[in-house]
Amino acid sequence: DIQMTQSPSTLSASVGDRVTITCRASQSISRWLAWYQQKPGKAPKLLIYKASSLESGVPSRFSGSGSGTEFTLTISSLQPDDFATYYCQQYNNYWTFGQGTKVEIK
Amino acid sequence: EVQLVESGGGLVQPGGSLRLSCVGSGFTFSTYEMNWVRQAPGKGLEWVSYISSSGETKYYADSVKGRFTISRDNAKNSLYLQFNSLRAEDTAVYYCVRGEYCGGNCFPYPDYWGQGTLVTVSS
Repeated sequence: DIQMTQSPSTLSASVGDRVTITCRASQSISRWLAWYQQKPGKAPKLLIYKASSLESGVPSRFSGSGSGTEFTLTISSLQPDDFATYYCQQYNNYWTFGQGTKVEIK
Repeated sequence: EVQLVESGGGLVQPGGSLRLSCVGSGFTFSTYEMNWVRQAPGKGLEWVSYISSSGETKYYADSVKGRFTISRDNAKNSLYLQFNSLRAEDTAVYYCVRGEYCGGNCFPYPDYWGQGTLVTVSS
């Protein structure tokens, strides 16, 4: 089974900050990685697929990079609506999610 | 607009059974692979099961294999998850999730999620 490890688990930041979240896979998953945003009581929302492709309607301040086993999600300028929990997910073989990164107000 | 609406959640005793339903609209349901994903209270996301567009191919997470059964009725635009032998650790919000074709040698990726339905296993 492919394991996904995100870091950090919690991130404190201010509006306007540049934020980076890292996701590591236990084996190569090529570029078959997606990123999601989840707010309390809501379903996850797709942000990025194929490591760096921005889902339609998602603001351009979100970007993804990486391949193989190392991936990052970057928010270029954090906005009030971005405080949420973020998950990475591999779809190279079935689905495995990272444990999540909570982005909270500093 | 793509919509996925789950139903059937509730309180059930350990060892009991339950069936969840999910109705899709706003897209051609019969052409999409579908999945169930769950989230225990305050925890992360866990993939549970996959079914191909035709219903012929099914996969399960090890944690539910032999206890859960996924199925679909394309004539009714519906996806199902039958639970048997429920355990306390099955308590979670269950999401119906559409899989989008990935364009390569990979699993479809989740693009649309339902709002979820809560299953609570407790005596």
